[in-house]
Amino acid sequence: QVQLAQSGAEVKKPGASVKVSCKASGYTLSTYGISWVRQAPGQGLEWMGWISARNVNTNYAQKFQGRVTVTTDTSTNTAYLEVRSLRYDDTAVYYCARDYFDGSSRPYYFGLWGQGTLVTVSS
Amino acid sequence: DIQMTQSPSSLSASVGDRVTITCQASKGITNYLNWYQQKPGKAPKLLIYDAFNLAIGVPSRFSGSGSGTHFTFTISSLQPEDIATYYCQQYDNLPLTFGGGTKVEI
Repeated sequence: QVQLAQSGAEVKKPGASVKVSCKASGYTLSTYGISWVRQAPGQGLEWMGWISARNVNTNYAQKFQGRVTVTTDTSTNTAYLEVRSLRYDDTAVYYCARDYFDGSSRPYYFGLWGQGTLVTVSS
Repeated sequence: DIQMTQSPSSLSASVGDRVTITCQASKGITNYLNWYQQKPGKAPKLLIYDAFNLAIGVPSRFSGSGSGTHFTFTISSLQPEDIATYYCQQYDNLPLTFGGGTKVEI
């Protein structure tokens, strides 16, 4: 079964870092790009960044440049999102989402999503 | 960044009603517009891509239209399982951006 399984909920203090994982099963992670999208409580969806198939390149929303890193580990078929210098307004559910088309040169839309990981930033 | 403005932000309708949601882009995006459905506590689900193409397995009561800056999403006959929040999303330019969402209630 093709799916993305994300790591569990995290509680972090302001200024800390968090690394969320997204393990692909039923397909080879490196054949599709992966985006990360977050959703603050009761709010809409916000695209954060993307890593291409085969890790050729990355693209980040300007808002997150320098504070967010998206990586993949082909040996474990897992994608990661790291967010540094956490702030209270980073409290959100973070989703990984797979490109609709394999080998895309940029993100377009998403046909497969992880279940989401709640990251709570609290002192 | 391209701003996506959805309206209304919420609506209440009856089973069997025709429901229409609009999405306006801050600049022309050709037909690079998608629609997602999100049920409470769940990840979004792609319903429509490229403004009017139905994703695999999506019931035909869902449809989309439009181009340029103005887009429409329609549920031809609202069903109880359609209770959700609907989002438009543009991919003409990076960063990808979403509309603010429309909550559909019965």
